[in-house]
Amino acid sequence: QQQVKQSPQSLIVQKGGISIINCAYENTAFDYFPWYQQFPGKGPALLIAIRPDVSEKKEGRFTISFNKSAKQFSLHIMDSQPGDSATYFCAASRDTNAGKSTFGDGTTLTVKP
Amino acid sequence: DAMVIQNPRYQVTQFGKPVTLSCSQTLNHNVMYWYQQKSSQAPKLLFHYYDKDFNNEADTPDNFQSRRPNTSFCFLDIRSPGLGDAAMYLCATSRDRTAWEQYFGPGTRLTVT
Repeated sequence: QQQVKQSPQSLIVQKGGISIINCAYENTAFDYFPWYQQFPGKGPALLIAIRPDVSEKKEGRFTISFNKSAKQFSLHIMDSQPGDSATYFCAASRDTNAGKSTFGDGTTLTVKP
Repeated sequence: DAMVIQNPRYQVTQFGKPVTLSCSQTLNHNVMYWYQQKSSQAPKLLFHYYDKDFNNEADTPDNFQSRRPNTSFCFLDIRSPGLGDAAMYLCATSRDRTAWEQYFGPGTRLTVT
């Protein structure tokens, strides 16, 4: 049973456009939802994260939108740049072992110049 | 100022020949994780340590073992590598069980011939 489902698998966006990646979760016990960015040959790095008591969080060009009733959350990258080309993973974890994340399958983003 | 260091970055081993991957951290974090990541897939948690307390995931094969001799170091031992064990192995840390942020190392790419 996959607890965190992520879509799309791959995404191509023009420079300056908006990239949107969606995730859905099943376990209502999750209470922390991070997004990780991974460049080829590197480990994932935390990009932005949200808790379910907040509907939106913005950091620079990156915004998480969270819909608790629908059990969905999404990452929006505004003004996408070629340097944003990477694989993005959504994840979910519980406060009882906060760092132990269940990951989505990842989205490979390509931003074309 | 590397925080999570993995050695070697690339490892080639023969089918059935034991191999050890190492991870060290300068963050003094209590929790250390080992993930397996196959091409175009999400990281899959193998096990984690909270201090010296070892926690194995239910579906981690017995072929995979781990040691944490002190706070800074953690090792992943693959006793008899099979072709299916070829993957990127990621080490990560978090401050303690309530800290949601994980810090990943760059990974070790394991090839099995």
